[in-house]
Amino acid sequence: TQLLEQSPQFLSIQEGENLTVYCNSSSVFSSLQWYRQEPGEGPVLLVTVVTGGEVKKLKRLTFQFGDARKDSSLHITAAQTGDTGLYLCAGALIQGAQKLVFGQGTRLTINP
Amino acid sequence: DTGVSQNPRHKITKRGQNVTFRCDPISEHNRLYWYRQTLGQGPEFLTYFQNEAQLEKSRLLSDRFSAERPKGSFSTLEIQRTEQGDSAMYLCASSLPLGGHEQYFGPGTRLTVT
Repeated sequence: TQLLEQSPQFLSIQEGENLTVYCNSSSVFSSLQWYRQEPGEGPVLLVTVVTGGEVKKLKRLTFQFGDARKDSSLHITAAQTGDTGLYLCAGALIQGAQKLVFGQGTRLTINP
Repeated sequence: DTGVSQNPRHKITKRGQNVTFRCDPISEHNRLYWYRQTLGQGPEFLTYFQNEAQLEKSRLLSDRFSAERPKGSFSTLEIQRTEQGDSAMYLCASSLPLGGHEQYFGPGTRLTVT
């Protein structure tokens, strides 16, 4: 059983469309990170959210941490082909915990 | 480039052989982590160092696996008597002392056991 469930696992849309990826858990996280990973490479950190209800924006990407700190979402506006990749959410279960628990990822394909 | 580096990037080995991977963290980061990622899955935590001390090990880290960070800088991960199930991407990450939840990953070492 995955502690962090991401949905959808696969998403293929046309350039210019909007999309939302979800990361859900029954556990409370002290912080949650979103990473993007290209094939054959390591994950690259996009954002960290810490406070319940927090919203962070990174250009066309909007990240939200749920009020109860159990879930998060990533919304992409006007997707571009360069957004194609594997998006991973990861969380720290307790304050000061060193290991991250990862979701299984959402593989996003943006078609031209 | 001052990011996390890992060597080798790819390793193909025969079942039963030993392999060793190296990770060089970002220079001012004193915390170093090893994760394993299999196809279609997110990374799974293996172990974590603060300076030279190994402070946590996952149950995934069997007796055949050993990790060291002798001088608190680079780290090595050794797998003895490799098995086909060890085939995976081995990822190293590092973080600042007070930023443990912000971990920066290297490019990984892809291990294939034949």
